[in-house]
Amino acid sequence: DTEVTQTPKHLVMGMTNKKSLKCEQHMGHRAMYWYKQKAKKPPELMFVYSYEKLSINESVPSRFSPECPNSSLLNLHLHALQPEDSALYLCASSQDLDRRSTNYGYTFGSGTRLTVV
Amino acid sequence: DQQVKQNSPSLSVQEGRISILNCDYTNSMFDYFLWYKKYPAEGPTFLISISSIKDKNEDGRFTVFLNKSAKHLSLHIVPSQPGDSAVYFCAAKFRYNFNKFYFGSGTKLNVKP
Repeated sequence: DTEVTQTPKHLVMGMTNKKSLKCEQHMGHRAMYWYKQKAKKPPELMFVYSYEKLSINESVPSRFSPECPNSSLLNLHLHALQPEDSALYLCASSQDLDRRSTNYGYTFGSGTRLTVV
Repeated sequence: DQQVKQNSPSLSVQEGRISILNCDYTNSMFDYFLWYKKYPAEGPTFLISISSIKDKNEDGRFTVFLNKSAKHLSLHIVPSQPGDSAVYFCAAKFRYNFNKFYFGSGTKLNVKP
C-alpha cells in the first residue's frame, strides 16, 4: 500500500460546527503532515507529527486541533472555523526525516476540499 | 514573502518538444529541492529531487538543474507527453530543518497533442 487516504473528499460546514478530517497511511511512515492550500497559492505547512508526537505547529489558530492516535492515523479537528479557512487540506507522510535521509519526498493524499459557510 | 517562487503560472508545449519549468528561491541556506506534479482532484506526487551539492539530477525524461549562484532551478521534460499535463510545484528545505518544505505556487503545464 503506497497511498495516503484522506476522508472526506469534500466537506461543507457552518461556522458553529465541529468536524474532523481524517488521514491514514500504511507505508510505515513515522512522520505525518497537515498542509493547507488556497487557490493559486502554494501549500502551507500547518502541523508535523514525528513518531506520533507533535513536532511542528506553524502558529496555527487553536480552532484547528491535530491528533495522531497511532502511527497510521492523523486527524484534524475543526471547530468554530471562519469562511477564510475554506481551502484544500492536504495530508502527507514520509519516512522520519533526519540528516541520514537520502530522499525527502512526501507522499500526499488527494486532499479534503473544505468550505466554511 | 514567498521564499520559493514560480513566476510562470502556466506553460503550453507541443507534444514531443521540451518543457522547461522554472523556479527561483531567495534563501541561499536551502539545501534540498524537490519537484511535485499534481493532477486535478489528486494530491501532489513526488517527481524528482536534487541536493545542493549537485547541479543536475536525471530520471528518465525528467532532469532537474540547479544553479546555486542564480538561486534558480529548472525542470526539463523531454520529450513532453500529453499525460504530463498537470500543475508542477517546486519545493525547498533548509539544512537541518528536515520536515519543513517551502513550496512555490505552481506552474500549470499543458502538453498539446
